[in-house]
Amino acid sequence: KNEVEQSPQNLTAQEGEFITINCSYSVGISALHWLQQHPGGGIVSLFMLSSGKKKHGRLIATINIQEKHSSLHITASHPRDSAVYICAVRLKGADGLTFGKGTHLIIQP
Amino acid sequence: GAVVSQHPSWVICKSGTSVKIECRSLDFQATTMFWYRQFPKQSLMLMATSNEGSKATYEQGVEKDKFLINHASLTLSTLTVTSAHPEDSSFYICSANKRDLGTDTQYFGPGTRLTVL
Repeated sequence: KNEVEQSPQNLTAQEGEFITINCSYSVGISALHWLQQHPGGGIVSLFMLSSGKKKHGRLIATINIQEKHSSLHITASHPRDSAVYICAVRLKGADGLTFGKGTHLIIQP
Repeated sequence: GAVVSQHPSWVICKSGTSVKIECRSLDFQATTMFWYRQFPKQSLMLMATSNEGSKATYEQGVEKDKFLINHASLTLSTLTVTSAHPEDSSFYICSANKRDLGTDTQYFGPGTRLTVL
């Protein structure tokens, strides 16, 4: 079983829709990252969370440490949001990240 | 935000040759850098942790003699894939750790796509 599980694996939505991507993990962590990977492969770090909620523009990330669960929300989605969104955790005592398999998001105009 | 560069962005080489990939933190010093690998349609996997001035720490299953890591300065880590084979074809991504006010944040490079013929 993967230590980091994401859902859904694939998501297609219409422009303007509210998007939610979920991430669950099974071990103790010191931080959780949400990353965005575009078709060319480059990765952009969207959020790093250890508790609570963060907001940046139309993106919101939340984490519930007790439930070992995090969500990434996109409000007023736009075709340029189409990308793979990856949840990654830093395990307690580790430096590197452990990644989920990613959610492939397509926003149709 | 902080910037991490990688060079080259893509490379095609013949089987048996060695390929060096550079990872630089452009506007901050990074005592720790990480090397990841991503095969098509798979998630990224940590290969090794590169520490400035000391030996890299490799993850289980990653051959340290095949993937040579040198972190010679606070802004540069290199990954050399020695005697590359087609199964080494992958997308290699580095990240650099920036410590700011007691918080560590990882910044990712744009990646290097390696194709071994």
